[in-house]
Amino acid sequence: QVQLQESGPGLVKPSETLSLTCIVSGGSIGSYYWSWIRQPPGKGLEWIGYVYYNGKTNYSPSLKSRVTMSVDTSRNQFSLRLSSVTAADTAVYYCTRGSGWYIGEMRYWGQGTLVTVSS
Amino acid sequence: DIVMTQSPLSLSVTPGEPASISCRSSQSLLQNNGYNYLDWYVQKPGQSPQLLIYLGSNRASGVPDRFSGSGSGTDFTLKISRVESEDVGVYYCMQALQTPQCTFGQGTKLDIK
Repeated sequence: QVQLQESGPGLVKPSETLSLTCIVSGGSIGSYYWSWIRQPPGKGLEWIGYVYYNGKTNYSPSLKSRVTMSVDTSRNQFSLRLSSVTAADTAVYYCTRGSGWYIGEMRYWGQGTLVTVSS
Repeated sequence: DIVMTQSPLSLSVTPGEPASISCRSSQSLLQNNGYNYLDWYVQKPGQSPQLLIYLGSNRASGVPDRFSGSGSGTDFTLKISRVESEDVGVYYCMQALQTPQCTFGQGTKLDIK
């Protein structure tokens, strides 16, 4: 059974960089789309971007200037970096696995990790 | 960007009764390969979202057959034939066509009368 687990600091200071890692267990990171999605407290879901197993990325235009995603196939994990954070970046961050041929069909989600931006 | 609009934003349903949620996209999600790039997810209280329907009408494994997805192009519907108490949550549609990003609907909160 595939499992995803987000890890990273729960508190980040304004203007600093948020860094999260998603560890994939029970399956290979190969041949799938891996996305990050966030949810501000009490609000809806926002797609941040994806990294394909071969390193190809695509980011939300509204976050593109601040986002970097990467994949480490040797460690079976992928990562998110979001720079110059503000309070508006406070959210639960989820990592997900999509299909092998398109980004949707997100069958697997991490439990989510709350990241608070505050000094 | 593709805008996804759900309606209603909330509904209260008696157990055993049907429920229906509409999702409309600002651009067609139907591609030349015949697939509609539209998923449905539900987020139950305190949980991560979970996949219900993918490519418009395909039920994900383990999803009860009382859930069904239909529609094509820009208009889609999620139907629950007989609502049960465990169906409480927020339902989201999501377009996976990108151009240039995936987008979610606002969410529809379902509760039980």
